[in-house]
Amino acid sequence: GEDVEQSLFLSVREGDSSVINCTYTDSSSTYLYWYKQEPGAGLQLLTYIFSNMDMKQDQRLTVLLNKKDKHLSLRIADTQTGDSAIYFCAEKGDNQGGKLIFGQGTELSVKP
Amino acid sequence: GAVVSQHPSWVICKSGTSVKIECRSLDFQATTMFWYRQFPKQSLMLMATSNEGSKATYEQGVEKDKFLINHASLTLSTLTVTSAHPEDSSFYICSASTPISVFGPGTRLTVL
Repeated sequence: GEDVEQSLFLSVREGDSSVINCTYTDSSSTYLYWYKQEPGAGLQLLTYIFSNMDMKQDQRLTVLLNKKDKHLSLRIADTQTGDSAIYFCAEKGDNQGGKLIFGQGTELSVKP
Repeated sequence: GAVVSQHPSWVICKSGTSVKIECRSLDFQATTMFWYRQFPKQSLMLMATSNEGSKATYEQGVEKDKFLINHASLTLSTLTVTSAHPEDSSFYICSASTPISVFGPGTRLTVL
């Protein structure tokens, strides 16, 4: 089946940029998402990118998509302690009936 | 923007009882909704696809007689965990597509 992979941990200092990477296998992906989950909470949609786009920027967040390599990244500029959370990459394929396939999640730790 | 709600947000029950979780699309109609389960420190795993007016589609390994899904209207899907046991304790999250995937806040089920 289709697969989404992420590194499990990332630690950065406050004020630095964070880059979270994700790879996927589904060549029919239509949408790719980044969600944030804080402890004990649900999923917060951070941003998404359509498969025909290369880049999307929204304030401190920049998403880069390399469709050829099936690689997605999320860059958080000026990372703050409030950004500490688990970040999930997810993809929706054209032939998956709308369901999402999630990566394992990357735990971002921001140190003061 | 589109909002999905869930009720209850948390529930504690005794082993052997049944628990019903509701998922509602608040300002849009959803012919299809999705139910995910998340165990601690793990990613989301799709349990089933809920289809309005027809039977749900379950993922491999998910018991349809244990996790009853009803999608009786275009804005409501329910998940009933029947004869719950401690191993069913988990975080249950629903989503709908607008077509962007929007998630509910989740329901934390604890079975004693």
